[in-house]
Amino acid sequence: EPEVTQTPSHQVTQMGQEVILRCVPISNHLYFYWYRQILGQKVEFLVSFYNNEISEKSEIFDDQFSVERPDGSNFTLKIRSTKLEDSAMYFCASSEALHGSGYTFGSGTRLTVV
Amino acid sequence: ILNVEQSPQSLHVQEGDSTNFTCSFPSSNFYALHWYRWETAKSPEALFVMTLNGDEKKKGRISATLNTKEGYSYLYIKGSQPEDSATYLCAFSNYGGSQGNLIFGKGTKLSVKP
Repeated sequence: EPEVTQTPSHQVTQMGQEVILRCVPISNHLYFYWYRQILGQKVEFLVSFYNNEISEKSEIFDDQFSVERPDGSNFTLKIRSTKLEDSAMYFCASSEALHGSGYTFGSGTRLTVV
Repeated sequence: ILNVEQSPQSLHVQEGDSTNFTCSFPSSNFYALHWYRWETAKSPEALFVMTLNGDEKKKGRISATLNTKEGYSYLYIKGSQPEDSATYLCAFSNYGGSQGNLIFGKGTKLSVKP
């Protein structure tokens, strides 16, 4: 069964450093997403991406964050100047369509900012 | 602020017991309700996506119902097995923003004892 793959599975970074989280969505999916879960809290929407541009972003997704689809397969989340509160599990997801289709999630990247 | 509530927070049952959980969501501008099954260290797995009031979906021993007028969905597991142990997440989207932005509940953590 097709999977969404995320790398790395764990990343530890120093406060102020930049990190790039990588995702390979399912090849025939058109919509891509980033979500995150801070420990003990709900899974939160960050951004959705369609047709090579951001279609929606949450209040969390400020200028510190950016997404890119640098080639036909990868979908990346960049966090500039990381803060302690950015520590979370970051999930990438993709879907065939916006209406009525479930998302396929990756297994996440655990980001720890120290 | 749109909020999704799930109850109970956690549940411990014996193998063979049937069980159910609740997801409550805002009933206005409803678009879709998703259920996901999330095992530790794995990706959240889509179980159901429901869009119509009165929808009932079934996948093996798991089924779900949807009431969009009163804003709730039930997930039922018949004859629970140890492999059903996981966190069950529901997520809702509405017409207010982009339909791709899922708002998650905190999940119900199910433990099934052999």
